[in-house]
Amino acid sequence: EVQLVESGGGLVQPGGSLKLSCAASGFTFSNFWMNWVRQAPGKGLEWVANVRGDGRYTQYFDSVKGRFTISRDNAKNSVYLQMNTLRVEDTAVYYCAPGAPVGATSYVSWGQGTLVTVSS
Amino acid sequence: EIVLTQSPGTLSLSPGERATLSCRASQSLGRNYLAWYQQKPGQAPRLLIYGASSRAAGIPDRFSGSGSGTDFTLTLSRLEPEDFAVYYCQQYDHAPDTFGQGTKLEIK
Repeated sequence: EVQLVESGGGLVQPGGSLKLSCAASGFTFSNFWMNWVRQAPGKGLEWVANVRGDGRYTQYFDSVKGRFTISRDNAKNSVYLQMNTLRVEDTAVYYCAPGAPVGATSYVSWGQGTLVTVSS
Repeated sequence: EIVLTQSPGTLSLSPGERATLSCRASQSLGRNYLAWYQQKPGQAPRLLIYGASSRAAGIPDRFSGSGSGTDFTLTLSRLEPEDFAVYYCQQYDHAPDTFGQGTKLEIK
């Protein structure tokens, strides 16, 4: 059974930093792209970033480019999201979700999410 | 990026009725890489349909997806009490993946 456990959320001031973690189990982690998807309170879903299985290729949504960095540690079956220069509009629940080994896919499995609140 | 527009914003129906939810893409999805998710309050989204019309594992057959190109539909043939939730479409045909704004299915 696939399990995904996000952590690291919390309250941070605008301009601050936070690092999210997602611990995965139940599948061959290193074979799969990993994604972060977020949902602002009462709003819809927004893809944020992803990283290839070997960790060598990353992609970002335009609004987080240059501020967020996605990375992974396949030895720990974990993916991370380093978030810098946070803005009020980054306030959201952040979910991690596996992609596919290659190509595009829908998101079968999701974690429970971790809440990031950016406020002064 | 591809914009997905879902309609209606809110749909009020009674258990046992049929629900039809729409998702329109701003550009054609050539591979019909369109998914539907259900989300209940305080929960993560749950995949219902992928590839426009394939049901995900464990999804009851009262859920069906159809459409191609720019126009897609999620149909719930006979509403059960647990079906009242928010539904999102997602396209993964063109990077970046994008989601619709959601349709809230509420009890009438």
